[in-house]
Amino acid sequence: KQEVTQIPAALSVPEGENLVLNCSFTDSAIYNLQWFRQDPGKGLTSLLLIQSSQREQTSGRLNASLDKSSGRSTLYIAASQPGDSATYLCAVTGQGAQKLVFGQGTRLTINP
Amino acid sequence: GAVVSQHPSRVICKSGTSVKIECRSLDFQATTMFWYRQFPKKSLMLMATSNEGSKATYEQGVEKDKFLINHASLTLSTLTVTSAHPEDSSFYICSAPRTSGRVTQYFGPGTRLLVL
Repeated sequence: KQEVTQIPAALSVPEGENLVLNCSFTDSAIYNLQWFRQDPGKGLTSLLLIQSSQREQTSGRLNASLDKSSGRSTLYIAASQPGDSATYLCAVTGQGAQKLVFGQGTRLTINP
Repeated sequence: GAVVSQHPSRVICKSGTSVKIECRSLDFQATTMFWYRQFPKKSLMLMATSNEGSKATYEQGVEKDKFLINHASLTLSTLTVTSAHPEDSSFYICSAPRTSGRVTQYFGPGTRLLVL
């Protein structure tokens, strides 16, 4: 059974810092991995999707990497801003399946 | 881009009543949709897979008689929480996969249910 773990559970940093969020998964046979953002009381916003054959994806100040063999992904946020404050969720899709298994999330707070 | 909608976005009901939540894929067809549940400050947990034209597949520990799922058409799945109780209060989110070369999941905005 696939399990997804995110570390840290919460992170608070001053504005302008670069930061890394971590995600690990137990079964390396995945179809893809996604990073989502969730604001309090809101739905999910897809940030980056990495296919199993890819090593990384970039969008603006965000960069996500995938090391399938070791079961790890990182989300790098450059020059953090208060507007980046949210919960960040990592989710993997198993091969042949379409349902996602989510990590517990990292609650990020960027202090002005 | 692909859009998935949910209705209602928020519902408050009395204990013992039933609540229906709709999930629609607006510009693509989805033979399969997924229903997730999220407790406060917790992650999303898959409840069931909704299959158009056949019975839903429920995850272990999810009561199928409690959470009725009907995939009425290729663009609509409904989740009915029957005889709701306060412990059913949660955030319910659906997703629908779209295949265009690769499979991409599109999520609805979620429905917040509060049972008094």
